[in-house]
Amino acid sequence: EAQVTQNPRYLITVTGKKLTVTCSQNMNHEYMSWYRQDPGLGLRQIYYSMNVEVTDKGDVPEGYKVSRKEKRNFPLILESPSPNQTSLYFCASSLEGVGSPLHFGNGTRLTVT
Amino acid sequence: GQQLNQSPQSMFIQEGEDVSMNCTSSSIFNTWLWYKQDPGEGPVLLIALYKAGELTSNGRLTAQFGITRKDSFLNISASIPSDVGIYFCAGGAQKLVFGQGTRLTINP
Repeated sequence: EAQVTQNPRYLITVTGKKLTVTCSQNMNHEYMSWYRQDPGLGLRQIYYSMNVEVTDKGDVPEGYKVSRKEKRNFPLILESPSPNQTSLYFCASSLEGVGSPLHFGNGTRLTVT
Repeated sequence: GQQLNQSPQSMFIQEGEDVSMNCTSSSIFNTWLWYKQDPGEGPVLLIALYKAGELTSNGRLTAQFGITRKDSFLNISASIPSDVGIYFCAGGAQKLVFGQGTRLTINP
């Protein structure tokens, strides 16, 4: 089954403790992206990747890192999480980027205390 | 930067009613996408529009790419309980920009 898989689904952590949210897609998509969803703000892009070893900042990149060492994986790294990063995070992929529809994972709900 | 205004923010309707929502922008887009998000899940693509003026249907859903390329609407006919959720528009140019979402609630 074609899908985008994120782990974990739920994560509660404390301020400053490094964490990684994994994302993997099995559709051989070139483009991958991370979004955060907050009430009233919709989906805001954190980082995106057009291809392996190519990553770029989205609209809200501060406090986040990503890497794209393999085509299928695009982990999101929070080196020192803060409470304002409490949010619902989605990974998404598409065949070619903006012109192709995005396929979303099921989300990771992160709480930073 | 590019922004989308999606309206209404929420809708409370009776089962069987038709629904209409829209997105507008001051920017021109090359692609309009409509997604639905069910509770606890990621958004799922409903309809993709690639050409100004294009009108596309998917079952009871109909969406149009505005002639000016700055707007799009989504209509749902004869709503049913499983239509409940949050609907997002997204406009694509150099990047994909999402609207704030329309939360649809249906009274049976």
